[in-house]
Amino acid sequence: DTGVSQDPRHKITKRGQNVTFRCDPISEHNRLYWYRQTLGQGPEFLTYFQNEAQLEKSRLLSDRFSAERPKGSFSTLEIQRTEQGDSAMYLCASSFVREGTEAFFGQGTRLTVV
Amino acid sequence: GQQLNQSPQSMFIQEGEDVSMNCTSSSIFNTWLWYKQDPGEGPVLLIALYKAGELTSNGRLTAQFGTTRKDSFLNISASIPSDVGIYFCAGPISSGSARQLTFGSGTQLTVLP
Repeated sequence: DTGVSQDPRHKITKRGQNVTFRCDPISEHNRLYWYRQTLGQGPEFLTYFQNEAQLEKSRLLSDRFSAERPKGSFSTLEIQRTEQGDSAMYLCASSFVREGTEAFFGQGTRLTVV
Repeated sequence: GQQLNQSPQSMFIQEGEDVSMNCTSSSIFNTWLWYKQDPGEGPVLLIALYKAGELTSNGRLTAQFGTTRKDSFLNISASIPSDVGIYFCAGPISSGSARQLTFGSGTQLTVLP
């Protein structure tokens, strides 16, 4: 499978726990994006990387959210001290660094905080 | 921030009918994208538009980039059951090739047999 891969697909956690999600982009893609999608809404941009550099992180929802892409390949998104309001679908996407090329999304990780 | 308004919010149509939905913004966009999302899955790109006035087709789907650069339309002809899903319009938050996108809130399409 050469698409964007996300793991796990579903995660249930207790409030206050930390969670980490992984994204493996399409292998030739330099850029990697994280989005959050709540029920009934479109995806909301959080942060993105170009290779290993995090070029935009001002839209991360709070300082409990952090993302890494240490070797410019896979990325992780961590949420510390989860709250019920963090329950959502977390989507990863990747793209080339080239005009006219669009982002391809993974299947997402559905987080439920109980 | 930039906001995309999609309408209608939901549609119920008979199989074989044509569908039209649109997306408007208060800001100018240089790119308009249309995605489809099935339940429990990520969005899948349907059509990308890069030029004002551009009309682009992908099978039974046709999308247009409005001449004001503040709107876009998606039409689906001869709908079939697998067209069911949520259709989102999207545009880049900033200039450049990075795909930091803002999305509309979607049009939920139901196709009745």
